[in-house]
Formats: sequence, structure tokens, C-alpha cells
Amino acid sequence: GAGVSQSPRYKVAKRGQDVALRCDPISGHVSLFWYQQALGQGPEFLTYFQNEAQLDKSGLPSDRFFAERPEGSVSTLKIQRTQQEDSAVYLCASSLALTNEKLFFGSGTQLSVL
Amino acid sequence: GIQVEQSPPDLILQEGANSTLRCNFSDSVNNLQWFHQNPWGQLINLFYIPSGTKQNGRLSATTVATERYSLLYISSSQTTDSGVYFCAVGPWGGGFKTIFGAGTRLFVKA
Repeated sequence: GAGVSQSPRYKVAKRGQDVALRCDPISGHVSLFWYQQALGQGPEFLTYFQNEAQLDKSGLPSDRFFAERPEGSVSTLKIQRTQQEDSAVYLCASSLALTNEKLFFGSGTQLSVL
Repeated sequence: GIQVEQSPPDLILQEGANSTLRCNFSDSVNNLQWFHQNPWGQLINLFYIPSGTKQNGRLSATTVATERYSLLYISSSQTTDSGVYFCAVGPWGGGFKTIFGAGTRLFVKA
């Protein structure tokens, strides 16, 4: 596609529900990143994929967070048993190279946990 | 870990004015990027600039890696420049993480 696509754009969940956020990177981009952005702050790194391999998941805040990219293209970030502190914008970015150079971001998914 | 500090935190400009945004980082980096986040939340990559100077229209950026800072210049500002400007760095030995600063919030008045 022309850009990084994320869905849904908005998600409201009741505390304790599971959610799944989708990211469709730019076609041909090898690297894919997930970030979490709290209101008024800069994005914070969650996890990184190189093709289908998850090479770094050190930023995932708890074991309730899980990400996958099974075919090296579309990625899904899953949050189990959502908590209010999970409320944030979740951003996906992709990069052509095998690095974190020149990141292209999607519009994000705004998650609100009630 | 590496610290990324941006200044000023907030900036209000009259349309047509020029401005300089600064990004200081506490350790060596292998890449540096500037982003603009518009009022709708979209992050746009402005520059990939680990060192040297680049220009793109009314925007230019300079990174002096040896002194651990980067500057973003905005000339003849327009209302559409409003938003948050982020500096983001990739630390040497930091794997694939990109660390963002807290941003500079810019509002350009008509």
C-alpha cells in the first residue's frame, strides 16, 4: 500500500476484555515496530520485527501484551485482560531496511479502556 | 539508557516567523530522525539525519553527532506547521529501538 495502515482507528474496551490491533506496513518493508504513546508524551518502543522474526520485545509492559507477524507482512498487537493503564495510542511503523532508519508511521489506534 | 531532551517544550509563533528547535542526547547514536505529529496524530518523517545538514523547502536540520545535538530550523512558519515536533534517536548498541524525546509543541498563529 501507499502507507502504513492501522485498524481500528478507535477502540473502546471494557476492563478485562481482550483486544487485537492490526498493522499493515508499506509493501516490501522488512522492519516493523510497535510503539505506545500516552497523552502528551513521545512514543515509547514496544517491539520490533524483522520479517516474521520478533527480534526485540523488551518494551512490552507485561505478559498481557503479545505481538505477531506470522508471514512477515501484517502484524497484530494483542492485549489480554485490558487494564485502564493500557489506554493510549498504539502506533505501528515500518522501515525498508533491516534497521530503525527512516521510520514511516501509521495513524495509530486510540485505545480507551473503561 | 540514553536521554533525549528537546527544547523549548512549547513555542508560539506568529505566521511568517522563523524558529529553531533543539534536541540534545546523552550518548552516541547511529541514527537521528525528526518527526512532525499533526493535530490529527499522524507522525510524518521530516528528516533522517545522523550527521550533517539537510534541507527540504522551509525546513532544514543539522546534526553535530560529536557534540550530541541536532537542530531543526523552520523558516517563514505557516499555520499548517502547528503540531508536535519529535526528535528520535537510535543509540549505538541499542539494537533496533528508537528513543523519542518529549517533543516541542508548536502553535503558529495566523
